[in-house]
Amino acid sequence: GENVEQHPSTLSVQEGDSAVIKCTYSDSASNYFPWYKQELGKGPQLIIDIRSNVGEKKDQRIAVTLNKTAKHFSLHITETQPEDSAVYFCAAMGGSARQLTFGSGTQLTVLP
Amino acid sequence: DSGVTQTPKHLITATGQRVTLRCSPRSGDLSVYWYQQSLDQGLQFLIQYYNGEERAKGNILERFSAQQFPDLHSELNLSSLELGDSALYFCASSVATAKNTEAFFGQGTRLTVV
Repeated sequence: GENVEQHPSTLSVQEGDSAVIKCTYSDSASNYFPWYKQELGKGPQLIIDIRSNVGEKKDQRIAVTLNKTAKHFSLHITETQPEDSAVYFCAAMGGSARQLTFGSGTQLTVLP
Repeated sequence: DSGVTQTPKHLITATGQRVTLRCSPRSGDLSVYWYQQSLDQGLQFLIQYYNGEERAKGNILERFSAQQFPDLHSELNLSSLELGDSALYFCASSVATAKNTEAFFGQGTRLTVV
């Protein structure tokens, strides 16, 4: 089945700096790659996603890039703010898998 | 608010007991997914239902079962509970078509087995 690896597990940045989280996946048939933000005590919230026919997608301060050849995708957050502090999960879906397989999560801390 | 409702929010029960977790999907979503989140295991897929039928199964224990009812709400039943079953249980819903696969999560049920 699909296997998703996520790095780093923790990331601290100064407010205003950029943050990058990277994921790799194993199943070349996967075609949908969402990112979720989970705040303490809450459920994962979908923040951005990308499909395999697109290389990059942006939404204000958040962008995701996908390299299908290398089977990796990344989340980029620019001009980070303290409210960006949370756990971020990448996921992959597609091929024979009809459910999301998640990475292990990245605890992002934005220092004021 | 994702539109996915899970009840109860918290549940404390003893080992050996049985509990039922409930999930109401977003309006129009036919698919429901159940995930378990524990500290050392991340988000683990348990099972998916689509329009009342089981569609995919993950690492769900035989002590656990689920169903989706005609009104599309779903229940996850956990029996013979063990201390290790303590975790957050999330439900997500999706339209689950080839072109629309976005999944939206509820706030979860925190299960504590004592």
